[in-house]
Amino acid sequence: EVQLVESGGGLVKPGGSLRISCSASGLTFSRYTMNWVRQAPGKGLEWVASISSLSRYIYYTDPVKGRFTISRDNAKNSAYLQMNSLRAEDTAMYYCASRRDGYNYFDFWGQGTLVTVS
Amino acid sequence: QSALTQPASVSGSPGQSITISCTGTNSDVGGYNFVSWYQEYPGKAPKLMIYDVSNRPSGVSNRFSGSKSGNTASLTISGLQAEDEADYYCSSYTSSTTLYVFGSGTKVTVL
Repeated sequence: EVQLVESGGGLVKPGGSLRISCSASGLTFSRYTMNWVRQAPGKGLEWVASISSLSRYIYYTDPVKGRFTISRDNAKNSAYLQMNSLRAEDTAMYYCASRRDGYNYFDFWGQGTLVTVS
Repeated sequence: QSALTQPASVSGSPGQSITISCTGTNSDVGGYNFVSWYQEYPGKAPKLMIYDVSNRPSGVSNRFSGSKSGNTASLTISGLQAEDEADYYCSSYTSSTTLYVFGSGTKVTVL
């Protein structure tokens, strides 16, 4: 059974930093592009960032460029999102989602970790 | 504002069929066959229901089907059941700098 487990969320002040993690099991992690998708309270889903299986390709949504950094450690089956210069509008549930390299859908999702900027 | 437009809510009686639309542009829905649909229960992680416009992952009921015409994709739920009551989001690959866009979400209510 595939499991993606996020951790590291919490309350942070505007301008602060936070690093959230995603630990994966039950899948060949090194074959998957890992993504972060967020959902602000009462709002829809928003793709945030993705990193390909060997970290060769990295992409971000425009609102977080220059502030967020996605990374991964295939030896630890983990992905990370370093968030700096946080703003109130970054408040959201952050989901880790997997996507097989070369495919364009998110097949597995974690339960999410809540980030509150206030 | 979400990039893809979905109706805020759709409802139907048990056994009926409902269709949720997802309208984008030539740069996303209309330009690629990479539309996917996700089901989300309150407080739960989203679940993939349809990928690449009309394909169902293993384990997803065949009551769920997807299609696309021009810049609009659709998710149809046939034989509506109480357990189908959830939020549904469409997503598409996009040629813009944002790799993927989501719809605003549709709340499905089973009457």
